[in-house]
Amino acid sequence: GAVVSQHPSWVICKSGTSVKIECRSLDFQATTMFWYRQFPKQSLMLMATSNEGSKATYEQGVEKDKFLINHASLTLSTLTVTSAHPEDSSFYICSASGLAGAFYEQYFGPGTRLTVT
Amino acid sequence: GENVEQHPSTLSVQEGDSAVIKCTYSDSASNYFPWYKQELGKRPQLIIDIRSNVGEKKDQRIAVTLNKTAKHFSLHITETQPEDSAVYFCAAINFGNEKLTFGTGTRLTIIP
Repeated sequence: GAVVSQHPSWVICKSGTSVKIECRSLDFQATTMFWYRQFPKQSLMLMATSNEGSKATYEQGVEKDKFLINHASLTLSTLTVTSAHPEDSSFYICSASGLAGAFYEQYFGPGTRLTVT
Repeated sequence: GENVEQHPSTLSVQEGDSAVIKCTYSDSASNYFPWYKQELGKRPQLIIDIRSNVGEKKDQRIAVTLNKTAKHFSLHITETQPEDSAVYFCAAINFGNEKLTFGTGTRLTIIP
């Protein structure tokens, strides 16, 4: 199946700093990428949908100025958590949508664990 | 938007027995229903899926059924093994907007 990578796999940062997370589709072109956040023992919550070359679409309640998303190419999307605070500590997972036959399937990255101290 | 409910939240099953997880969805336009298995700290892994034009699909010990009229779908795992212990998520999507909506998850524990 298709491969999606994320970098870094984990990061610890101090409160007030910014952190950038990269999501790459390694062997296919992803027209759409998705960013999810998952708190411990909870489900995946969609934060935003990004399409290459256009602005991301954010879900209700997600601050677009705090979670900056850039989808510069068909294989790379980045999520920047600006001025991170302890409550932003979470597991961030991206997925990339690729055409598999007649339908689009989502392929998930391995996730990035962010800890803000 | 779509709302997916999942039950139970936790499930303990004796090794060798069957496990059933049920989900309901609200948007009748949803047409694809994947199931994911997630181990601690790992990415969700697609284990089986079903499209809206099919009522049942089976892959070895795993099967999924879909009732479009009632808007519910279920995951069935037979002959459970310890390695089946994980959190399972159902999801629903309308291919028109590509947005996956996840259920709340079921923590499955297989008791040896």
